[in-house]
Amino acid sequence: DQQVKQNSPSLSVQEGRISILNCDYTNSMFDYFLWYKKYPAEGPTFLISISSIKDKNEDGRFTVFLNKSAKHLSLHIVPSQPGDSAVYFCAASLYYSGGGADGLTFGKGTHLIIQP
Amino acid sequence: EAGVTQFPSHSVIEKGQTVTLRCDPISGHDNLYWYRRVMGKEIKFLLHFVKESKQDESGMPNNRFLAERTGGTYSTLKVQPAELEDSGVYFCASSQGYNEQFFGPGTRLTVL
Repeated sequence: DQQVKQNSPSLSVQEGRISILNCDYTNSMFDYFLWYKKYPAEGPTFLISISSIKDKNEDGRFTVFLNKSAKHLSLHIVPSQPGDSAVYFCAASLYYSGGGADGLTFGKGTHLIIQP
Repeated sequence: EAGVTQFPSHSVIEKGQTVTLRCDPISGHDNLYWYRRVMGKEIKFLLHFVKESKQDESGMPNNRFLAERTGGTYSTLKVQPAELEDSGVYFCASSQGYNEQFFGPGTRLTVL
């Protein structure tokens, strides 16, 4: 039973526009959420995170929003660039920390394609 | 600073054989994790070491999988005997304290 769900296997966005990737979770005990980005033949790379006491975290072109009541988070990338084309994984941790306290629970990923 | 390294990058073995995967974490990282991604599925947690101790092995599929981290440095994950369903990409990650996990490039295991 998947506790972290990314229901869009792929997403195509034009260069310069906003990309919005969505993630839903079922376990209300999750306290920390992370987004990882993965290129082919490489391991996932940490992108941005948010703790359960916040509803927004911003880092440059990347913003993560958390809606605890809906058990939903989203990653916004604006403006989208060709180098953003990758698979994005949503992950959750049971501990209010930096994501290194326990094994993470991942979604299946969303393949983002930025079109010129 | 070197990242997390994994060896081999690819391994093709026959059902019933034994395979050992190795992970070298970032120097100084006490936490070491193993994950597996079967094609098209999510990345699933297998095991968490803190130094040389197994903190959480709730994700290990069965007793054909054995993980070790002697001396709290590198780790090995042995699959014996391998089955077809063990095919996938095995990722190792490490972290310093509670900070974010850094992942290695993975080992692609194919069991024929």
